[in-house]
Amino acid sequence: DQQVKQNSPSLSVQEGRISILNCDYTNSMFDYFLWYKKYPAEGPTFLISISSIKDKNEDGRFTVFLNKSAKHLSLHIVPSQPGDSAVYFCAASAEETSGSRLTFGEGTQLTVNP
Amino acid sequence: EAQVTQNPRYLITVTGKKLTVTCSQNMNHEYMSWYRQDPGLGLRQIYYSMNVEVTDKGDVPEGYKVSRKEKRNFPLILESPSPNQTSLYFCASSFVGGGADTQYFGPGTRLTVL
Repeated sequence: DQQVKQNSPSLSVQEGRISILNCDYTNSMFDYFLWYKKYPAEGPTFLISISSIKDKNEDGRFTVFLNKSAKHLSLHIVPSQPGDSAVYFCAASAEETSGSRLTFGEGTQLTVNP
Repeated sequence: EAQVTQNPRYLITVTGKKLTVTCSQNMNHEYMSWYRQDPGLGLRQIYYSMNVEVTDKGDVPEGYKVSRKEKRNFPLILESPSPNQTSLYFCASSFVGGGADTQYFGPGTRLTVL
């Protein structure tokens, strides 16, 4: 039972364009959502998060949107840069009940072409 | 430098030969966790620990053991490894109550069981 799903295993975009990575979840108890970025031979690193009381959070070139009714979130990267090429994991937490426990999606490999 | 370290980084072993993957953090974090990453499945939690001598099962605990005798260390033990435990393993740590976005991940251990 995959509670967090990233349906696109890979995404390829041109440098300077927008990258949109999508994530769906099924568990209504999730109240905190995160995106992690992972380069080869390294551990995941935290990128951006959003609480369920918000529908948008922005940090520089990265914006996360949350649609609670659709149980869907997305990560927008504008403009995309070659250094953004990595695997992006969506993750969710039910912080009220589970604290730091994270449930991850399958990951999306983003490739930004120069 | 704040970090989570794992050893070894790479390990090839044979079925049934007991092994331990070590994890250590220098941030005085209470919460530590082990994940495995498999293609198409993302990261799945194996075990976690809220503090010394407090451990609990994650989503895929079968075939693994952990211990938390000291705050900084959280070793993962495979008593009798099998080929289906071939995977990429990550240790993570954070403060309890610090929020899921405060988790730091180690660099990963790639395990192959023949």
